[in-house]
Amino acid sequence: SQTIHQWPATLVQPVGSPLSLECTVEGTSNPNLYWYRQAAGRGLQLLFYSVGIGQISSEVPQNLSASRPQDRQFILSSKKLLLSDSGFYLCAWLTEKAFFGQGTRLTVV
Amino acid sequence: KQEVTQIPAALSVPEGENLVLNCSFTDSAIYNLQWFRQDPGKGLTSLLLIQSSQREQTSGRLNASLDKSSGRSTLYIAASQPGDSATYLCAYGGSNYKLTFGKGTLLTVNP
Repeated sequence: SQTIHQWPATLVQPVGSPLSLECTVEGTSNPNLYWYRQAAGRGLQLLFYSVGIGQISSEVPQNLSASRPQDRQFILSSKKLLLSDSGFYLCAWLTEKAFFGQGTRLTVV
Repeated sequence: KQEVTQIPAALSVPEGENLVLNCSFTDSAIYNLQWFRQDPGKGLTSLLLIQSSQREQTSGRLNASLDKSSGRSTLYIAASQPGDSATYLCAYGGSNYKLTFGKGTLLTVNP
């Protein structure tokens, strides 16, 4: 079956600490993968997308980076978190259908 | 740059009422238009997908339409129920299956 997994569900991190969010998919190969962020009062903003291993496109300049070390794995990272990185992060696998992870609520304190 | 606008931002209706949510987009080179539901603190649930060659899609009490020429889509919910309370998101589907989202309409259906 086709599924997408994202973890952790919630995260509270101090300013300046590193970040690693992981997303994996099952039931497919070479998926198009996306990271979105939903900040308070704002819509879903596309951060990064990847059409294959090692291929990353950045939509907005920011404090975050993404990597795709394996075909079905997509990682969102930061070396030093800022307060403005707080938000709800969603991983998505998009084809003719859209599959979304359950999201990670990140609070930077 | 593609922009998606949803009106209204919030809507409160009594149970049983029929309602319409609106979505507009700026680029007519659309691949598809999708409607999603988001419950508080949760991920997105796909409701309806309209391909660019289609004009509408229906699923149960939901009906979505697409007018590419005017850059508009509507989501019609019939006989609303308290369980329909959620945020409804419209998304423009472009190349590479990329989705551009509106800010959503927060729907509250009161019993």
